[in-house]
Amino acid sequence: GESVGLHLPTLSVQEGDNSIINCAYSNSASDYFIWYKQESGKGPQFIIDIRSNMDKRQGQRVTVLLNKTVKHLSLQIAATQPGDSAVYFCAEKKGNTGKLIFGQGTTLQVKP
Amino acid sequence: NAGVTQTPKFRILKIGQSMTLQCAQDMNHNYMYWYRQDPGMGLKLIYYSVGAGITDKGEVPNGYNVSRSTTEDFPLRLELAAPSQTSVYFCASSYHSGRANYEQYFGPGTRLTVT
Repeated sequence: GESVGLHLPTLSVQEGDNSIINCAYSNSASDYFIWYKQESGKGPQFIIDIRSNMDKRQGQRVTVLLNKTVKHLSLQIAATQPGDSAVYFCAEKKGNTGKLIFGQGTTLQVKP
Repeated sequence: NAGVTQTPKFRILKIGQSMTLQCAQDMNHNYMYWYRQDPGMGLKLIYYSVGAGITDKGEVPNGYNVSRSTTEDFPLRLELAAPSQTSVYFCASSYHSGRANYEQYFGPGTRLTVT
């Protein structure tokens, strides 16, 4: 069946280092992927998205990479800051309804 | 814009009680969604709506009902609350047109405990 999952539940990085959060998906027909950041006690917040006709997309300090061959998605955060500490979710779009399937999430801990 | 607003922020229910979680958005989004998030887990879709008067089930609809009488509001009704419905509930909205990005905007959540 369909699933969107993350390889590691917790990632701990030193402030200033780069972070890489990974995500695997199983539905090869998915054509849109999105990363959300969720801080404690808050709703998810959009970070960046990518369509399946792209391999890479860059935002401010963040880059999303899509490898359709192995159905893998990653979020790279440059120069990680304490404010980046949060749970990060990947999600894939299911069909044409706009519905998103969310993965379990990776907790990013930034050490000072 | 206030974005997506949810009330209440917290609620404790006894088993068998009913309540309505309110959700409103002022972005003129046509799509709205209700999710639940259990501790340490991702989001599971309960119900969604593609426009006023149109609703459909998501992944975990049992025990819930929704209505969408206006573009702005999308209340979630819990009938006969059960401990398994203890969770954090998020409402979200998005705008869909021919080349929409499908980005969903989320509210701050309602933390519900059923005892």
